[in-house]
Amino acid sequence: GAGVSQSPSNKVTEKGKDVELRCDPISGHTALYWYRQSLGQGLEFLIYFQGNSAPDKSGLPSDRFSAERTGGSVSTLTIQRTQQEDSAVYLCASSLARTSPETQYFGPGTRLLVL
Amino acid sequence: DQQVKQNSPSLSVQEGRISILNCDYTNSMFDYFLWYKKYPAEGPTFLISISSIKDKNEDGRFTVFLNKSAKHLSLHIVPSHPGDSAVYFCAASWTGANNLFFGTGTRLTVIP
Repeated sequence: GAGVSQSPSNKVTEKGKDVELRCDPISGHTALYWYRQSLGQGLEFLIYFQGNSAPDKSGLPSDRFSAERTGGSVSTLTIQRTQQEDSAVYLCASSLARTSPETQYFGPGTRLLVL
Repeated sequence: DQQVKQNSPSLSVQEGRISILNCDYTNSMFDYFLWYKKYPAEGPTFLISISSIKDKNEDGRFTVFLNKSAKHLSLHIVPSHPGDSAVYFCAASWTGANNLFFGTGTRLTVIP
């Protein structure tokens, strides 16, 4: 079966532009997570969606970052007015339900470079 | 504030020998620990986990040890294969948390 997919795989943008990153979770997975990995850093939690509940946005680094999940499936992470420090690999993960951490399945990531 | 730390950015071992990857954590609330493996251009894949009620969990060539008093865990790979060459991330969480807390990773190279 298909795993978590993310698009685009690479994105180069200019400082100040907006970008949208897409995540298609595994079908039937109700939980969806966004992380990012900056150079030399571990994965940093950004936002979590579970079913129809209000998302946990506690990891978003600034109000330039937002995410939505439409129809409980596809999610879009939007970064407005990108800055060079936003350059990172953005990883999406999904799981059946938030019952056991090890069931998070990760996509290949979107590598974002802000010039 | 890095709550999960992997102090060795890289490790090289000979094929067939043991690989030991280390991880330290600071948050006493963590009660679940995981290791993920990551190849280039791929997302991390789950490898093995351990609950804080245990001090050891074994799965084939992979064993994770947990020392709660020292807030330390390690991943042992025996024997190591060249295909094990990847970046290994330690992660931790607690019951009720919405996310995993990751270390910065250790790049393992297994030399044929």
